[in-house]
Amino acid sequence: QIQLQESGPGLVKPSQTLSLTCTVSGGSITSGGYYWSWIRQSPGKGLEWLGNIWRSGSKNYNPSLKSRLGMSRDTSQNQFSLKLSSVSVADTAMYYCVRDRDGDNAFDIWGQGTMVTVSS
Amino acid sequence: DIQMTQSPSSLSASVGDRVTITCRASQSISTYLNWYQQKPGKVPKLLIYDASKSQSGVPPKFSGSGSGTHFTLAIASLQPEDFATYYCQQSATTPYTFGQGTKLEIK
Repeated sequence: QIQLQESGPGLVKPSQTLSLTCTVSGGSITSGGYYWSWIRQSPGKGLEWLGNIWRSGSKNYNPSLKSRLGMSRDTSQNQFSLKLSSVSVADTAMYYCVRDRDGDNAFDIWGQGTMVTVSS
Repeated sequence: DIQMTQSPSSLSASVGDRVTITCRASQSISTYLNWYQQKPGKVPKLLIYDASKSQSGVPPKFSGSGSGTHFTLAIASLQPEDFATYYCQQSATTPYTFGQGTKLEIK
């Protein structure tokens, strides 16, 4: 049974960079048929897809965040990561890493989420 | 970006009722439409994909329909565990976008 687990600091200061890692167990991030996505949820903006990374390492980013967003993967650790620079209070949210099925792009497996607060 | 609009935003119903939730896309998305259920403090759960296909393990009381710009999620014979917030999501083009949610409450 595949599982995803987010990790990273829960508090980030304004203007700094938010860094999160998702560790995948029970399956490989290089196996076919899946993208690996980041989604966040805040009371003000609801659910927002941030971007995804394919098994080849190619990425898709939400244009609204593209200038601040970076995603990467570490196949040796079976992990993928997110970096969001120049954060503000508006980036305060629950961040989820999610498996994203190729073809229908439905989000079928979610991590439990990690709450990130941007505050000085 | 494709805008997804759900209606109603909230809905009160009784145990045993059948309810429908509507999701409209700002442009045609064929059947690239997925539905999720989220309970308070929990992670969203995929219910329906490709507008009408049930995710493995989801009871048949949940059904989806529609294509193009108009979609519906129907929930039959409501039970206490069905009271939650439901979201639609388009997967036709990136950036993938979600509806604002429909909160289903017990009357």
